[in-house]
Amino acid sequence: AIQLTQSPSSLSASVGDRVTITCRASQGIRNDLGWYQQKPGKAPKLLIYASSNLQSGVPSRFSGSGSGTDFTLTISSLQPEDFATYYCLQDYNYPWTFGQGTKVELK
Amino acid sequence: QVQLQESGPGLVKPSETLSLTCSVSGVSISSHFWSWIRQPPGKGLEWIGYIYSSGSTNYNPSLKSRVTISVDTSKNQFSLKLSSVTAADTALYYCARRSSVGRIPGRVFLALDMWGQGTGVTVS
Repeated sequence: AIQLTQSPSSLSASVGDRVTITCRASQGIRNDLGWYQQKPGKAPKLLIYASSNLQSGVPSRFSGSGSGTDFTLTISSLQPEDFATYYCLQDYNYPWTFGQGTKVELK
Repeated sequence: QVQLQESGPGLVKPSETLSLTCSVSGVSISSHFWSWIRQPPGKGLEWIGYIYSSGSTNYNPSLKSRVTISVDTSKNQFSLKLSSVTAADTALYYCARRSSVGRIPGRVFLALDMWGQGTGVTVS
């Protein structure tokens, strides 16, 4: 199975900060990677699909990039509602696998 | 709007079979992929498997010998059965739809775009 390694596992940031989360795949996955946001007690929410495409309704401060094995999720200006855990998910091949998550906390 | 709702027992005894149902409203269950994902307490997400409305399935090899996902198009529902459960199967179980979220010439992008709220299952 393809392993996805996210870094950092957690980070502390302030409102207005630029935040970058990295997801590295154990083998090339083209751009078959999505990013999901999960708030406590809630289901994950799709933010980005196919590495860099913003899901409908998601604020433009979220962006994604990357291809092959290295991917990033960037929040250009962190807002109070963005404090959450973020997961990457590859659906390049089976089994689909998630990264271990990155928790974004208030500094 | 599209809604997914998981249901099933919250407590299952070890060695028994966990059975959950996902009821879909607002969209026909036909022509979509439907997945189960789980999340142990305080941990990350694990994909369990999916079923297409035609009945074709794909399961995570780590669970394949114990998992069955089925669909009932007449009820607009799909179901998960996980046999021989242990404490390691204690988790929040989510159902989700994998659907087209974008396209470019020659390619359709699919993603898990709709999720249920999740249902907790404890094995004890």
